[in-house]
Order: sequence, then structure tokens, then C-alpha cells
Amino acid sequence: EADIYQTPRYLVIGTGKKITLECSQTMGHDKMYWYQQDPGMELHLIHYSYGVNSTEKGDLSSESTVSRIRTEHFPLTLESARPSHTSQYLCASGDSSSYEQYFGPGTRLTVT
Amino acid sequence: AQSVTQPDIHITVSEGASLELRCNYSYGATPYLFWYVQSPGQGLQLLLKYFSGDTLVQGIKGFEAEFKRSQSSFNLRKPSVHWSDAAEYFCAVGEVGGGADGLTFGKGTHLIIQP
Repeated sequence: EADIYQTPRYLVIGTGKKITLECSQTMGHDKMYWYQQDPGMELHLIHYSYGVNSTEKGDLSSESTVSRIRTEHFPLTLESARPSHTSQYLCASGDSSSYEQYFGPGTRLTVT
Repeated sequence: AQSVTQPDIHITVSEGASLELRCNYSYGATPYLFWYVQSPGQGLQLLLKYFSGDTLVQGIKGFEAEFKRSQSSFNLRKPSVHWSDAAEYFCAVGEVGGGADGLTFGKGTHLIIQP
């Protein structure tokens, strides 16, 4: 059973605030991903990581940043939240020998 | 660039009836194909995957899918749906040898189960 956690699950915050969305996995996976999903829409990759100290931007441009200091942890940060950042953010992980991705429950972000 | 098309935005099926959700992909290389299910307010759960070999793959919860290279399709099927199958279903494609790049997802099909 895959174990990947995201906190908070829901966040309502005002414009201009700095926020960090947490993602942790206990499977020792090298690869981790952040996807953005608007309501009723497909997922779009915004960041990914091959391993510690590796981060890459995904297909969808995002103002967020990520870091990968530990294998199990892949936080996403928005320095100054805006209403256009309102969305659901899904974190996923996968190991190098498999192309499967395991998803966390998501963080639903609302910026007012 | 790869793309995934799920032509049906919504599908309504009676409980106990059979189900087929369509998925077509556009890809230059050999694809890895996935079906995920998402319940409201939840993350995605992997139903099944195709990497190679037998083109008919079995998944969890009684689902199966068939890879048809000639049609660039990977349709999801279930012989008899249950009310608990109501959810959003996503088809996704990944690239063989593509490294850590993420999956490309379709827009999803919303499945409604009628009693």
C-alpha cells in the first residue's frame, strides 16, 4: 500500500500570503511530482524531482517553487498567493524501476 | 507532444449494467498507459496499467482495459457496475524511457450510476 501524505488538505488564505504545501512519502521513492488540477479538468504537471537536490519544472508554467532536501519530502511554496493560484494540488511519487505513480489526497487551495 | 483524449465528459450507467470508458492517445514512442479513479475530494487511485505483453490487462475492483495499438486506444471496461463506482476516471500516458517526466492525463470522464 502506497503511503503519501499531503498537508493541509484544505487551505483558504488571503492574497499576498506566503504558503507552503507539504508532501511526504514513506516508500523511499526517488521520483516525486506536483500536479495542478482545476475543477473538472485534467491534471497538469508543474514540478518534478529525480531525487535529492534535483528539481525540474513541468509542462505547465507555475509561479510556485519546490525543494528536495530529503528523499521523503517535496514541499511546494508560493511566495505571494494570488486568486489565480486557486486550485487543487496533487503530489505523487514513484520509484525508478516502475512507471507507476502513487498520489496523495491533494490540497485544495483557495486564495481570496 | 503526447496527448490523451477522453471523448466522454459524462457517462450515466444503470447499476448492474456494463461499462466502457474510452481513451485515445497520441504518442510517438511506445507508451505506458494507466487508468486512475478519483473520488470527490480525494487523490487518484491506480486502477490498472499497461507496460507491455498481454494487451488485455486486469485491474482492481473488477476493471479491465485493452490496449489496441492500431486504434491508439486503451478503453476501460467493467461487466457490471456498482453504485460505489461513481467517480471521475482519468486515462494517462507516460513515455517509455522518458525518465522522471510526469504523466499526461486526459480531461477525465465523470461516471454517474443510476439505481
